[in-house]
Amino acid sequence: DTGVSQNPRHKITKRGQNVTFRCDPISEHNRLYWYRQTLGQGPEFLTYFQNEAQLEKSRLLSDRFSAERPKGSFSTLEIQRTEQGDSAMYLCASRGGSSYNEQFFGPGTRLTVL
Amino acid sequence: QKEVEQDPGPLSVPEGAIVSLNCTYSNSAFQYFMWYRQYSRKGPELLMYTYSSGNKEDGRFTAQVDKSSKYISLFIRDSQPSDSATYLCAMSAGGTSYGKLTFGQGTILTVHP
Repeated sequence: DTGVSQNPRHKITKRGQNVTFRCDPISEHNRLYWYRQTLGQGPEFLTYFQNEAQLEKSRLLSDRFSAERPKGSFSTLEIQRTEQGDSAMYLCASRGGSSYNEQFFGPGTRLTVL
Repeated sequence: QKEVEQDPGPLSVPEGAIVSLNCTYSNSAFQYFMWYRQYSRKGPELLMYTYSSGNKEDGRFTAQVDKSSKYISLFIRDSQPSDSATYLCAMSAGGTSYGKLTFGQGTILTVHP
């Protein structure tokens, strides 16, 4: 499978716990995005990486959120001290290579905070 | 006001109907326009991508962009039950926007046999 992969697919956690999600982009794609999608809404941009550099962060990304892409390949998104309002689908997308302007999404990680 | 407004629907049509989905936008910096299809509890799947005003056709799908009116549409001909999904319009600006996408809220389409 050469698409974008995300793990885990589902995560249930208790309020106050920390969670970490992983995204593996399409191999030749140097650009990676994180989005958040709540029920009945379109995805909202969270942050963007070009190779290992994090070049933009949305104001939606509070200081409890941190994202990394240490070697310019996979990326992780960590949420500290989760709140019920963090419950959402977290989507990763990548672009680059021959499909330069097109973003391809992974299946998402669905987070439920109890 | 949101930068991208999508007719929320939902839409329910019989098999074989022509479907029209629409979005308007307010940011004149948007240059690239996309339509994604999203099945329940899955990630969005890219259907159409265009960057110029006019029409682009791919099989049963036609994307239309009118930059002067800040209006985009997706037409689905001969709709099938397998087309039942949420359709999302998305757009991005060039330059320092880094290609981040701004989405509409989505339209839920149901095609019944």
